[in-house]
Amino acid sequence: DIVMTQSPDSLAVSLGERVTINCKSSQSVLTSSNNRNCLVWYQQKPGQPPRLLFYWATNRESGVPDRFSGSGSGTDFTLTISSLQAEDVAVYYCQQCDSVPFTFGPGTKVDIK
Amino acid sequence: QVQLQQSGPGVVKPSQTLSLTCAISGYSVSGNSVAWNWIRQSPSRGLEWLARTYYRSQWYYEYAVSVQGRITINADTSKNQISLQVNSVTPEDTAVYYCGRQFRGALDFWGQGTMVSVSS
Repeated sequence: DIVMTQSPDSLAVSLGERVTINCKSSQSVLTSSNNRNCLVWYQQKPGQPPRLLFYWATNRESGVPDRFSGSGSGTDFTLTISSLQAEDVAVYYCQQCDSVPFTFGPGTKVDIK
Repeated sequence: QVQLQQSGPGVVKPSQTLSLTCAISGYSVSGNSVAWNWIRQSPSRGLEWLARTYYRSQWYYEYAVSVQGRITINADTSKNQISLQVNSVTPEDTAVYYCGRQFRGALDFWGQGTMVSVSS
């Protein structure tokens, strides 16, 4: 199975500050069929299912604010929030979709300082 | 708009069978560019992918090894829904269970979640 790790476990930053979350996979998630990184980012708020933010590592889902960005390739990926807003308080997860079983990172909790 | 509506019991006794249903609206369960998944979430195991099914001229089924042999995913085209059955449940199966549509590799639509407790 591909193991997904995230760092940090949690962070608290001031409103308007930049947030960077890292995700690492135990092996490359570059999909040979379409030469894309099969890496997904989700945001989850309490009592809600996860919400899709990015697919193929860098493709922003419709409706996601452009202060969110996704980057990375191979085994190392990053989710960035350029200017933290109050509504961004949540847990963020990465997930690999390259091979079954699909696996998720443990999550990064983002809070306001 | 795609919507997934889950139903099923909130409490199941140990050794019994858990059955969950996910009714799909706004999209055909037989659509040939998507897959339908079950995922669960617990404090101890985090988000855990369990199974998926999809139609590509025939139905395909894939399972997590950790639960293989105990779980079954099915699609019902007449009701446009998927289901999950977990046999011989133990307290370790206590979790919030979600169904989700997978498109371009990502789970873009999710059910509301069903909290399932395994308890006598």
